Amino acid sequence: KQEVTQIPAALSVPEGENLVLNCSFTDSAIYNLQWFRQDPGKGLTSLLLIQSSQREQTSGRLNASLDKSSGRSTLYIAASQPGDSATYLCAVESARQLTFGSGTQLTVLP
Amino acid sequence: EPEVTQTPSHQVTQMGQEVILRCVPISNHLYFYWYRQILGQKVEFLVSFYNNEISEKSEIFDDQFSVERPDGSNFTLKIRSTKLEDSAMYFCASSPQADTQYFGPGTRLTVL
Repeated sequence: KQEVTQIPAALSVPEGENLVLNCSFTDSAIYNLQWFRQDPGKGLTSLLLIQSSQREQTSGRLNASLDKSSGRSTLYIAASQPGDSATYLCAVESARQLTFGSGTQLTVLP
Repeated sequence: EPEVTQTPSHQVTQMGQEVILRCVPISNHLYFYWYRQILGQKVEFLVSFYNNEISEKSEIFDDQFSVERPDGSNFTLKIRSTKLEDSAMYFCASSPQADTQYFGPGTRLTVL
C-alpha cells in the first residue's frame, strides 16, 4: 500500500527566504506526482504536476523535482512571500487515484 | 478559467439520513473523483469514475456509498445512511485525461 510522508510538518520562515519542502513515497510505481496548496477551510489548488518520466517542473517561483527510483520529491519555493502561507500537499497517482501526504504547514512572516 | 463547483458548501444531517453531495466537473473532462478529508487528517481517495462506471474505489467506499452522473454534467455522491464518522470535507475532482486533477471547493458534511 502506497504511503506518502511529508517533512517538515510545519515550517515558519521570514519573508524573502528560499525554502524546500520534502515528500517521500514508498512505492515507486507511480503515474505522476502532484503538488497542491490548501488554504484553511478551502479546497485544493493544483500547483505542479510531474509525470513519472520527468525530473522536474517549474511554474513561476515554484520548482518541483522528482526522483522516482528513490521515492522522493521536493518543492522549492523561491523568495517566499506572506501570501505563500498555506498547507502544501504532495500526492502521488497510481491506479487512477491520488494518495496524499499529511502536508507541510508553511507560515511566511512579513 | 473553468472550475469544479460543489453544492452545498455545508450540509448538516442527522445520523441515519441519506445525503447527496453534488458536483459539476469541468465540462470537457473525462475522469471524475471523490475524496474526503476528516478534520486534521489526510485527504483520502474514495472513488474514480470514467465512461459512466466506477474505475477504482477504496475500502472506505462501501455499500453505503454510491456515485452517479445523472445528466452528463452533474456528478453526485450519495451516502445512504450517514454515520457520525462520515463527518468530513468531501472534495470532487475532475481531469481531462490521466493528468492533473482539479479539485472543487468541497462540501463540509456534519452528521449529528
